Amino acid sequence: GAVVSQHPSRVICKSGTSVKIECRSLDFQATTMFWYRQFPKQSLMLMATSNEGSKATYEQGVEKDKFLINHASLTLSTLTVTSAHPEDSSFYICSARVDFYNEQFFGPGTRLTVL
Amino acid sequence: AQSVAQPEDQVNVAEGNPLTVKCTYSVSGNPYLFWYVQYPNRGLQFLLKYITGDNLVKGSYGFEAEFNKSQTSFHLKKPSALVSDSALYFCAVRGQNNAGNMLTFGGGTRLMVKP
Repeated sequence: GAVVSQHPSRVICKSGTSVKIECRSLDFQATTMFWYRQFPKQSLMLMATSNEGSKATYEQGVEKDKFLINHASLTLSTLTVTSAHPEDSSFYICSARVDFYNEQFFGPGTRLTVL
Repeated sequence: AQSVAQPEDQVNVAEGNPLTVKCTYSVSGNPYLFWYVQYPNRGLQFLLKYITGDNLVKGSYGFEAEFNKSQTSFHLKKPSALVSDSALYFCAVRGQNNAGNMLTFGGGTRLMVKP
């Protein structure tokens, strides 16, 4: 099946800094990628839909200036958490849409801890 | 709007016994239904999906699920549970008319298989 990677897998940063998380489709091209956030013992919450070559579509309640998404190529989407605060600490998961398989393939996730 | 309900936060079963993890959904039009498994600090792994055809879908690791349109359910089952099946399970749905391929996840069910 299709493989999606995320980097880094774990990051610890100080409050006020910005953190970039990469999501890559390794063996296929993805015109659409999705970013999710997961709090401990909770389900995945869709943050935004990332479309190659255009602006991301954010879900209600998600600050687009806080969570910057860039889908610069058909294999890479990045999520930048700007001016991170402790409440941004969470598990961030991306997925990539594969039209042929009519499903999404998920990355392994990135654990962000903001001190 | 589409939604998914997983009524049980946790399911406990003894190794070797059959297991069922429940899922009901609500969606406009015909559904695409998915089950994913998540191990601690990991992303989601695809188990199986229903798109069309046979109501009984077989997936990875011996899991299967039955699509029941009249009850709007898609319960996950396995005839004989293994301790290694202990994990967090998510049911997800999207409508066939959802061109954006946006998945909606249930709250998750933690499966505990005891030796």
